[in-house]
Amino acid sequence: EAGVTQSPTHLIKTRGQQATLRCSPISGHTSVYWYQQALGLGLQFLLWYDEGEERNRGNFPPRFSGRQFPNYSSELNVNALELEDSALYLCASSPGKVVGGGTSAFFGQGTRLTVV
Amino acid sequence: TQLLEQSPQFLSIQEGENLTVYCNSSSVFSSLQWYRQEPGEGPVLLVTVVTGGEVKKLKRLTFQFGDARKDSSLHITAAQPGDTGLYLCAQAPGTYKYIFGTGTRLKVLA
Repeated sequence: EAGVTQSPTHLIKTRGQQATLRCSPISGHTSVYWYQQALGLGLQFLLWYDEGEERNRGNFPPRFSGRQFPNYSSELNVNALELEDSALYLCASSPGKVVGGGTSAFFGQGTRLTVV
Repeated sequence: TQLLEQSPQFLSIQEGENLTVYCNSSSVFSSLQWYRQEPGEGPVLLVTVVTGGEVKKLKRLTFQFGDARKDSSLHITAAQPGDTGLYLCAQAPGTYKYIFGTGTRLKVLA
């Protein structure tokens, strides 16, 4: 079974440009989560999509946005890129809401975004 | 907002030593997950614990979920250089935000 796949693996953009990152969840998973991880730091929650809808977002400016498609894959868009947006962007998927908990989320390898 | 605090933040030990890292929350977890992340890679799921007081073992790693489901610990016996990485705890996905702890960065010296 294929895991979570992210593309591209590396992305270099100039300040002010836009970046689009893609994530394909594990088959059967309806929830997709996006995180930003700056070098040497922890995971900062960006966005959570489930069943095609945005369920929650972290404390990031509106230029960070995304969407989830009918096949549950997802895009993360970052507009007006700034130097401090350089980070590893991680996507995770899970089966979505499960009564009683105990479900698991799995990560992709990430997209390394560098803004110059 | 549920906060997850991990301790210690950094740990550097010699090969063969034992260690314990902790994950604490201000609220009750429905379940909790532990991950290990190596540089430049995505976190890899180690275990999910669901029941208060639950203990799970994964080779030399022992995971314990507190009776009140507000804390968890990860104990590594006879650490090896391959255990080096960032250890992260997280509460159950699909409940609110899928929040991660601050992480414990472990380095095991040969």
